[in-house]
Amino acid sequence: QKEVEQNSGPLSVPEGAIASLNCTYSDRGSQSFFWYRQYSGKSPELIMFIYSNGDKEDGRFTAQLNKASQYVSLLIRDSQPSDSATYLCAANTGGFKTIFGAGTRLFVKA
Amino acid sequence: NAGVTQTPKFQVLKTGQSMTLQCAQDMNHNSMYWYRQDPGMGLRLIYYSASEGTTDKGEVPNGYNVSRLNKREFSLRLESAAPSQTSVYFCASIGTLGEKLFFGSGTQLSVL
Repeated sequence: QKEVEQNSGPLSVPEGAIASLNCTYSDRGSQSFFWYRQYSGKSPELIMFIYSNGDKEDGRFTAQLNKASQYVSLLIRDSQPSDSATYLCAANTGGFKTIFGAGTRLFVKA
Repeated sequence: NAGVTQTPKFQVLKTGQSMTLQCAQDMNHNSMYWYRQDPGMGLRLIYYSASEGTTDKGEVPNGYNVSRLNKREFSLRLESAAPSQTSVYFCASIGTLGEKLFFGSGTQLSVL
């Protein structure tokens, strides 16, 4: 079992809709969690990070963390075709060891 | 502002050949990482170095060695390349606060 699990998708949503991306992790000692976006052929870039239980909002993006359920999610409001990419969930499992999930491919249809 | 620099960008090897992937960062970061990315597998951690002078195995260390040459440089060596090592390799670094990984542009490696 991977330490960080994601549904590989693809997830397809119409333009303007909310895209919901989910992630679970196995190590209860994990302290911080990240969402990276990766366009085809490019390096990953950070979208959001979250340390505390609850929601964290930044523009159209909201990260949610539930440590009791070992669950992290990313909501993208008003999805745009430019949001079409692979979204990678990552967890810092201690000592700066950062583990990624397999990624979820998102397609936003115009 | 170079950030994380990886070389080479592309490489083709024959089975059994050796090579070293180079990585350098100019952000004075303590921790550095090597990941590989295969289709549908996300990023898998090969080795990481939490600080200068230390290295630790990640999820898929077999067939690789690393050297943290100094605070700036972290190299990845394939001693005897195998076709299963065909992948895109990313080097990354992270600052003391651990808030963000900075990635290099990647190395596309093919082993024939």
